[in-house]
Amino acid sequence: IQLTQSPSSLSASVGDRVTITCRASQGISSYLAWYQQKPGKAPKPLIYAASTLQSGVPSRFSGSGSGTDFTLTISSLQPEDFATYYCQQLNSYPLTFGGGTKVEIK
Amino acid sequence: EVQVVESGGGLVQPGGSLRLSCSASGFTFSSSGMHWVRQAPGKGLEYVSAISNNGGSTYYADSVKGRFTISRDNSRNTLYLQMSSLRAEDTAVYYCVKMDSSGWSYDYWGQGTLVTVSS
Repeated sequence: IQLTQSPSSLSASVGDRVTITCRASQGISSYLAWYQQKPGKAPKPLIYAASTLQSGVPSRFSGSGSGTDFTLTISSLQPEDFATYYCQQLNSYPLTFGGGTKVEIK
Repeated sequence: EVQVVESGGGLVQPGGSLRLSCSASGFTFSSSGMHWVRQAPGKGLEYVSAISNNGGSTYYADSVKGRFTISRDNSRNTLYLQMSSLRAEDTAVYYCVKMDSSGWSYDYWGQGTLVTVSS
């Protein structure tokens, strides 16, 4: 199953609303997770089951979608949110990741 | 506190072999599926391999099938990745990752160990 993330990068300002999309090549129900990665660090889990926030993740993050189309939204971008974001499907092996979306400061 | 700590990375020549280890603590290792995920320099995340909690099921990415072997020792709380016939394109940071109990997400990642395949 291929995952296509868009955009591959974006520039935004603090306080902006940011939306990242992830499209699966076939239906994956809600078996989708999102991760945040900062340079030189391991990825951090953000969302599982397409829309459930991991413990401790700020409520400005939200996820939606099912089937083939999914979105990650940051309602008000904060300085610590500048990072690369990845989606992952866990519907079937081999598990796959999207190509990533780098969120940069405008 | 949950910890997963990788070791065993380093420089290896093309065609060579290397074994990575991942020492786990702070959770019931024998109840958890464990995975390896890698990231080539400047690139995205790539799933490599997975093993079920009791070692009875293993899975591999097509890119490593037949060359890598995942295994675990639940008595030692340790995960392994035996890598052989290494290629330049296997150069990456390799992360040991714990699957959550429901199978919906990875919940803990190690800090990664760098494998460099070069002559």
